[in-house]
Amino acid sequence: DQQVKQNSPSLSVQEGRISILNCDYTNSMFDYFLWYKKYPAEGPTFLISISSIKDKNEDGRFTVFLNKSAKHLSLHIVPSQPGDSAVYFCAARDAGGTSYGKLTFGQGTILTVHP
Amino acid sequence: DVKVTQSSRYLVKRTGEKVFLECVQDMDHENMFWYRQDPGLGLRLIYFSYDVKMKEKGDIPEGYSVSREKKERFSLILESASTNQTSMYLCASSLPVVETQYFGPGTRLLVL
Repeated sequence: DQQVKQNSPSLSVQEGRISILNCDYTNSMFDYFLWYKKYPAEGPTFLISISSIKDKNEDGRFTVFLNKSAKHLSLHIVPSQPGDSAVYFCAARDAGGTSYGKLTFGQGTILTVHP
Repeated sequence: DVKVTQSSRYLVKRTGEKVFLECVQDMDHENMFWYRQDPGLGLRLIYFSYDVKMKEKGDIPEGYSVSREKKERFSLILESASTNQTSMYLCASSLPVVETQYFGPGTRLLVL
């Protein structure tokens, strides 16, 4: 049972354009959402997050949008740069009492930004 | 600067061998996690620990065990390695209930 889904395995974008990565979830107990970026042969690194009480969070070129009613979030990268080429993972935290900060990750989307 | 290190970047083992993967963090974090990453499946949680000597099963604990004797060190043990355990293994740590996890560089394990 995949509680966090990234339905697009890959995305290809031209440098300077917008990249939009999508993520859907099913568990209504998720209260915090994060995006991680992963380069080959490296561990994932935290990129941006959003609390369930907000619908938007912005950090430089990166913006995350949350639509709770649709159980959907998206990551926008504007403008996209070749260095953004990586695997992007969506993750969600369960607010349940015994979760200990446990995260559930999606399958990942490979973003390729062409010069 | 936060740091999570893993004992090996690459490992090749034979079927049936006992395999130890070590993870050390220097951030005094209470929580530590072991994931495996497989294409099309993302990161799946194997085990996590929220305190010394405490452990909880994740989503895919079968075939694995863990040990946390010291706060900074979390070990993943494959009791009898099998080919379907060939994967990238990632360790992470975090503060209690804090959502941001810090990851190590990963260990790519090949079981022949």
